[in-house]
Amino acid sequence: AQKITQTQPGMFVQEKEAVTLDCTYDTSDPSYGLFWYKQPSSGEMIFLIYQGSYDQQNATEGRYSLNFQKARKSANLVISASQLGDSAMYFCAMREGTYGQNFVFGPGTRLSVLP
Amino acid sequence: AAGVIQSPRHLIKEKRETATLKCYPIPRHDTVYWYQQGPGQDPQFLISFYEKMQSDKGSIPDRFSAQQFSDYHSELNMSSLELGDSALYFCASSLVGQDRHEQYFGPGTRLTVT
Repeated sequence: AQKITQTQPGMFVQEKEAVTLDCTYDTSDPSYGLFWYKQPSSGEMIFLIYQGSYDQQNATEGRYSLNFQKARKSANLVISASQLGDSAMYFCAMREGTYGQNFVFGPGTRLSVLP
Repeated sequence: AAGVIQSPRHLIKEKRETATLKCYPIPRHDTVYWYQQGPGQDPQFLISFYEKMQSDKGSIPDRFSAQQFSDYHSELNMSSLELGDSALYFCASSLVGQDRHEQYFGPGTRLTVT
C-alpha cells in the first residue's frame, strides 16, 4: 500500500495567487515527520518545510505553510503569492519513527505557475 | 553554507560496466542516504549509513554496494550495469541528533547506461 499519496499529478496556478498541494499519508507509528521538497527542472531536491507528528502548530516557512490535519492524516502544502520560479515538481515525504532514517516519497505534483 | 557534494554530475556507461558514485556530506552530518530516481518517478531509497555503519537498506539491487569512509564520504558502487539503472542518483545527509532529521540532498549524479 502507498504510504504517501499525492492525488494531483499536475496543478496550474496564476501568478500571485495561493495554491494548495495535497498530501495524505499512512502510518501506524505515533512518531513521524513529514517533509515537502521542491524539484525544479534542473533536478536538485530542495527542502521546503517540516512538520513533526507531535507539533501542535502548523509549520510555516516564509511563503510556505503546512496544513496539518493529524486525524485525517493529511499534510497539505500551501504556497502563498505564487511566483514563476515556483514552477517545479513538489514531493511530500515521510520519515517514520523517532529514529527512522529513510524517507518515503509520494509520486509528486507538478506545479505550473502561469504569468 | 556548505552543501552535499556529489561527483561526477554526469556519467555515461555501457551495459555490464561498473560505476562508482561519490558523495561528500555536509560537514558534521553523521548520516548519509542514497536514493535512485528514475525518469518521471519519485526517489526510491537505496541504503543509508550512520556513523560509517550501514543503518538501513531499501530497494538496493545485489549488484550495488555502498560504504561510508572514515572521513564520512560515501561511495555507491554499481556493477554489471543494466539499461534500467539509468537514473538520477541522489545522496543526502542529515544530523540524526537534530529533532527534525531533515535530509539535505546533493545535486545528484545522472547515470546513463547505453
